[in-house]
Amino acid sequence: DTEVTQTPKHLVMGMTNKKSLKCEQHMGHRAMYWYKQKAKKPPELMFVYSYEKLSINESVPSRFSPECPNSSLLNLHLHALQPEDSALYLCASSRAGRTDTQYFGPGTRLTVL
Amino acid sequence: AQKVTQAQTEISVVEKEDVTLDCVYETRDTTYYLFWYKQPPSGELVFLIRRNSFDEQNEISGRYSWNFQKSTSSFNFTITASQVVDSAVYFCALRDSGGSNYKLTFGKGTLLTVNP
Repeated sequence: DTEVTQTPKHLVMGMTNKKSLKCEQHMGHRAMYWYKQKAKKPPELMFVYSYEKLSINESVPSRFSPECPNSSLLNLHLHALQPEDSALYLCASSRAGRTDTQYFGPGTRLTVL
Repeated sequence: AQKVTQAQTEISVVEKEDVTLDCVYETRDTTYYLFWYKQPPSGELVFLIRRNSFDEQNEISGRYSWNFQKSTSSFNFTITASQVVDSAVYFCALRDSGGSNYKLTFGKGTLLTVNP
């Protein structure tokens, strides 16, 4: 089973709102990722958690705040976003190794008004 | 620095035609990993295949086949007898053993449209 789930599927928020995206996997993977994907572009890595610790932050603005409460869950907290942050946000997971295959969830389509 | 080039931005075929999606990569590492992902309109990236640099064996899975050629730094993907459900954006990706090797370097993707 290579399933990564994400909620919500769609999210519309104003620039002053606070919202969270949620990602869950039950494959026993120990690395989890957030990607941002704009239309007609490839995904761009935002954050990597390895063994529940933040391993990589690709210079993402602080209005995006990741959290990894346990090995199965990954959250992305959103605050004071800009319209240009509207995108598809994809979560992925892999086994612990750095070269392991990443499996992606269905994504959350975020619109910032 | 690594790079992945998918020169075909869009391809349109009629159902049952064979189609090949090209992928050319650049890396200075001798150990690296190549991937293909499919992204249908729903948005999810679906993992199709992984190939390690030390394994040059080609792969066939049903209607899908992959041709890995280190001599030309290419990892091409062929769909035989295409179907409408194959319509999607296909991404080729590379991870080498240098730097931040959690990071996948994606090509820009090829939009495949299969018309009935």
